[in-house]
Amino acid sequence: ETGVTQSPTHLIKTRGQQVTLRCSSQSGHNTVSWYQQALGQGPQFIFQYYREEENGRGNFPPRFSGLQFPNYSSELNVNALELDDSALYHCASSFRTSGQETQYFGPGTRLLVL
Amino acid sequence: GENVEQHPSTLSVQEGDSAVIKCTYSDSASNYFPWYKQELGKGPQLIIDIRSNVGEKKDQRIAVTLNKTAKHFSLHITETQPEDSAVYFCAASRSGYSTLTFGKGTMLLVSP
Repeated sequence: ETGVTQSPTHLIKTRGQQVTLRCSSQSGHNTVSWYQQALGQGPQFIFQYYREEENGRGNFPPRFSGLQFPNYSSELNVNALELDDSALYHCASSFRTSGQETQYFGPGTRLLVL
Repeated sequence: GENVEQHPSTLSVQEGDSAVIKCTYSDSASNYFPWYKQELGKGPQLIIDIRSNVGEKKDQRIAVTLNKTAKHFSLHITETQPEDSAVYFCAASRSGYSTLTFGKGTMLLVSP
């Protein structure tokens, strides 16, 4: 187990709705990244937060937004849901040092948009 | 941006055989290459990683090799066991960044 937890495990929404996914990082980790994994694909980087600031973003529209809290838990918010947003969403936590960080993934939240 | 290609997409082996999965990357500035194993219903789990100052790294039955000149790296699993059956992902990232670019995955099936 990585110590990274996510909630909920799965949920169903309808097109146009908004959703919030939550992540609790591994103890001591100060960086969290969010990834979207479509069926049969590898995870795709959405954005990263470090010390509560967005620190890099992938090719995702502004309706994907996030927050990181002082206790290093975080949220992924998606507005105006589209059918193509159906996927498995992972958060991955790491500890930022001067070198490379190893990212540890949570189990994911499966989102289905109808 | 970075592009990671992974082959094969599926790989079937007999228990005890070796398995090799290969990845190529496009960004010559990438210098961190992790491999993740994902079992059904679970998140990706790091199994081994390699940095660009190293050509090979081993951990029991798992090894990874890196050829920076050719921009490719490979995962080698020896003495495969049924519990090795899963989807394996390679990834690449630059130093100082945590953005991982993943390959599309390889489904490994180990038959008893």
